[in-house]
Amino acid sequence: AAGVIQSPRHLIKEKRETATLKCYPIPRHDTVYWYQQGPGQDPQFLISFYEKMQSDKGSIPDRFSAQQFSDYHSELNMSSLELGDSALYFCASTPRGDTQYFGPGTRLTVL
Amino acid sequence: AQTVTQSQPEMSVQEAETVTLSCTYDTSENNYYLFWYKQPPSRQMILVIRQEAYKQQNATENRFSVNFQKAAKSFSLKISDSQLGDTAMYFCAFMKPNTGNQFYFGTGTSLTVIP
Repeated sequence: AAGVIQSPRHLIKEKRETATLKCYPIPRHDTVYWYQQGPGQDPQFLISFYEKMQSDKGSIPDRFSAQQFSDYHSELNMSSLELGDSALYFCASTPRGDTQYFGPGTRLTVL
Repeated sequence: AQTVTQSQPEMSVQEAETVTLSCTYDTSENNYYLFWYKQPPSRQMILVIRQEAYKQQNATENRFSVNFQKAAKSFSLKISDSQLGDTAMYFCAFMKPNTGNQFYFGTGTSLTVIP
């Protein structure tokens, strides 16, 4: 069965640089979620989209923005990167109101 | 806000034995979903089991079952016949439908299955 696809899987950036993470949900899933998981921590909700509209917002810094496109894929844009942004970033998708299926994550390292 | 508590940071179990992971949550809602996710060393988040709050019957998936006590706001995971591949971090998660559907995760329990 098709799963959630995230790219890239690994990303290394310098401080103050910009990064873009991409998420391709499972076909026919209309809702996408972004989570940030720091080392040894539980995933923290950042933002979600339903039918290309932002549906909920969590602890997403103002330096980050995201959107969902017409093909339902989503991108998380991160600017002015800080050392503390180093984390595993998960995307999850769901048919609305149902179980979330997670992608493999993008490991971001900020040097 | 919803809170999810996993009071056991680390647990271990002998292979083939049974282990129970605890999870409690706090909510004023009546309709919600509960999940257990497994995160092995690969860091992939894998769904283990889910429970709808309106269902009294405890969910079961092969060797995994839950003990859902709605009044006590408790949602424990029982793993029977533990296997080495069960070694992972286990996260309990709460979801309230139709309000953005974001997950609230517990802090996780690191389970080690000992050969």
